[in-house]
Amino acid sequence: EVQLVQSGAEVKKPGESLKISCKGSGYSFTSYWIGWVRQMPGKGLEWMGIIYPGDSDTRYSPSFQGQVTISADKSISTAYLQWSSLKASDTAMYYCARKDSNYVGGHYYYGMDVWGQGTTVTVSS
Amino acid sequence: EIVLTQSPGTLSLSPGERATLSCRASQSVSSSYLAWYQQKPGQAPRLLMYGASRRATGIPDRFSGSGSGTDFTLTISRLEPEDFAVYYCQSHAFGQGTRLEIK
Repeated sequence: EVQLVQSGAEVKKPGESLKISCKGSGYSFTSYWIGWVRQMPGKGLEWMGIIYPGDSDTRYSPSFQGQVTISADKSISTAYLQWSSLKASDTAMYYCARKDSNYVGGHYYYGMDVWGQGTTVTVSS
Repeated sequence: EIVLTQSPGTLSLSPGERATLSCRASQSVSSSYLAWYQQKPGQAPRLLMYGASRRATGIPDRFSGSGSGTDFTLTISRLEPEDFAVYYCQSHAFGQGTRLEIK
């Protein structure tokens, strides 16, 4: 079974650092991009960025560039999202998701087809 | 950065009715990258459509997608009780979502 399993809920104080994880299994982890998505309480989905574990090529949404770091360790099929100094506004649910590409009729088509269960991050003094 | 605007914000319909959800991009988007997701409370999003009009694995054929350029549509032909949820379009960034609620 193809799945992404995320690390557990975190409760942190402002200014602390944090690294959450997303472990892939059931497929070739190095062959698919992994994206990170933020969902603040009661709000919509926000695209944070994406990494290709095969070569660690990473792209960030302009809104999150410099605010977080996305990385991956292909030896253990795990992607990471980390903060160096958390803020209360980082309180949210964070999802990782696999970007699938389908080649049909001479064209590639893309979608995030497998999602982790989400990691709740609470930042409060 | 391309901005996706979804409308309406909330759609109130009854089971059996047809739902039409809109996603408009601030500039032209390749349909290859346009996807739709469904999210229910307390759950991760689920991929419905990719490439604007292609159903993901296991998605019933009452769901269909269309559009190109800057205007895309998700249509649910006959609403089932389990279809009431929030729907997002995405091309890198996400739209703000349309909440489909029971009338």
